[in-house]
Amino acid sequence: QSVLTQPPSVSGAPGQRVTISCSGSNSNIGAGYDVHWYQQLPGTAPKLLIYGNTNRPSGVPDRFSGSKSGTSASLAITGLQAEDEADYYCQSYDSSLIEGVFGTGTKVTVL
Amino acid sequence: QVQLVQSGAEVKKPGSSVKVSCKASGGSFSSYTITWVRQAPGQGLEWMGRIIPFLGVADYAQKFQGRVTITADKSTSTAYMELSSLRSEDTAVYYCAREGTAASNSHWFDPWGQGTLVTVSS
Repeated sequence: QSVLTQPPSVSGAPGQRVTISCSGSNSNIGAGYDVHWYQQLPGTAPKLLIYGNTNRPSGVPDRFSGSKSGTSASLAITGLQAEDEADYYCQSYDSSLIEGVFGTGTKVTVL
Repeated sequence: QVQLVQSGAEVKKPGSSVKVSCKASGGSFSSYTITWVRQAPGQGLEWMGRIIPFLGVADYAQKFQGRVTITADKSTSTAYMELSSLRSEDTAVYYCAREGTAASNSHWFDPWGQGTLVTVSS
């Protein structure tokens, strides 16, 4: 059972902007732990997309951006492209569970 | 550039154990933290535990306490995840990943191994 909640799916037309929310609590995101985001294409391992709430690893397009506020975080994809169709997961740490935690995952569909 | 290569797919009987390996190349293995994550078919990602090879210290998710053992062999730069008392619900792809960190409150996973499918079936 994931302690971070994401919408099951979001969709948008090519070129549009979509956002994915990641809702946590005062024992994880609200406790000051950073949020990280991963993209998982079908049949492949997850790939780091955003680390430390807002930072993009080298090679990740600037169409992807992250933010964090209070007990939640968000991933935004601007200028949506067909290749962005994938599953996206947020990740943080929970001080009550004393373990890493993932979001429930969101499937992005490009219409 | 760190690369993680995992062992191949396994088919196991209920009640048995499986041991998955994760061989690292590039960087300094002893300075990594290696994390294990699993993903059941059609499901999300689940954190299982991690190990700091330099210290040989591992910690585990509560859900897997008593059933999972994570070890590391510094001489071969290989981490292992052993899961015992397997049941059908353990059928999943198991991933290893290196833990990156910028501060005590910020730990992410990059890169990831290619994944190892473990199928538990009688």
